[in-house]
Amino acid sequence: NAGVTQTPKFQVLKTGQSMTLQCAQDMNHNSMYWYRQDPGMGLRLIYYSASEGTTDKGEVPNGYNVSRLNKREFSLRLESAAPSQTSVYFCASSAAGTPTGELFFGEGSRLTVL
Amino acid sequence: AQSVTQLDSQVPVFEEAPVELRCNYSSSVSVYLFWYVQYPNQGLQLLLKYLSGSTLVESINGFEAEFNKSQTSFHLRKPSVHISDTAEYFCAAFSGGYNKLIFGAGTRLAVHP
Repeated sequence: NAGVTQTPKFQVLKTGQSMTLQCAQDMNHNSMYWYRQDPGMGLRLIYYSASEGTTDKGEVPNGYNVSRLNKREFSLRLESAAPSQTSVYFCASSAAGTPTGELFFGEGSRLTVL
Repeated sequence: AQSVTQLDSQVPVFEEAPVELRCNYSSSVSVYLFWYVQYPNQGLQLLLKYLSGSTLVESINGFEAEFNKSQTSFHLRKPSVHISDTAEYFCAAFSGGYNKLIFGAGTRLAVHP
């Protein structure tokens, strides 16, 4: 049972470089999310996709773009990485926009921007 | 300002002692409330949730949380902790719709022998 799979798990970038974090889920979930986790700040929502073909900004969208490629995949792109984007990124999915609140998380992608 | 506030960043406790992790929420979020747990180097997992009904909710591993509307709190408790409970715990609530789950800053629970 793969659940939510994120790649890569680790990445080091130089300031100004670009990269894409990939996320795929095999649970047939409608909704997908990207969060970043920073010490003392918990998880902050970057972007989410309530359903295939839609994306919306979360709390901290600046400097990021997303693509909901199909129902399974939701990618996060950093066009010009900055040191402030050093963080652990988590992708998550949920069944639908209902108040069940159960998100299924990937294992995280640790990004360092030098 | 965060709409979900966890009052303690770290809670050290000895094994078999009781523990309480505190969470307060603001009126700007829903009253659907959640606790998630993150073990080292893993993603988050749902621990328990309050959607409606009984204000006391329980998890399968002995944790419980009580929804208190008058105090806008949803504190997490366990009467006797184990070493294996060492993890970071996050309180969460919906904000602005059921697709936006927001989290508190987290409480790191460290259980010592």
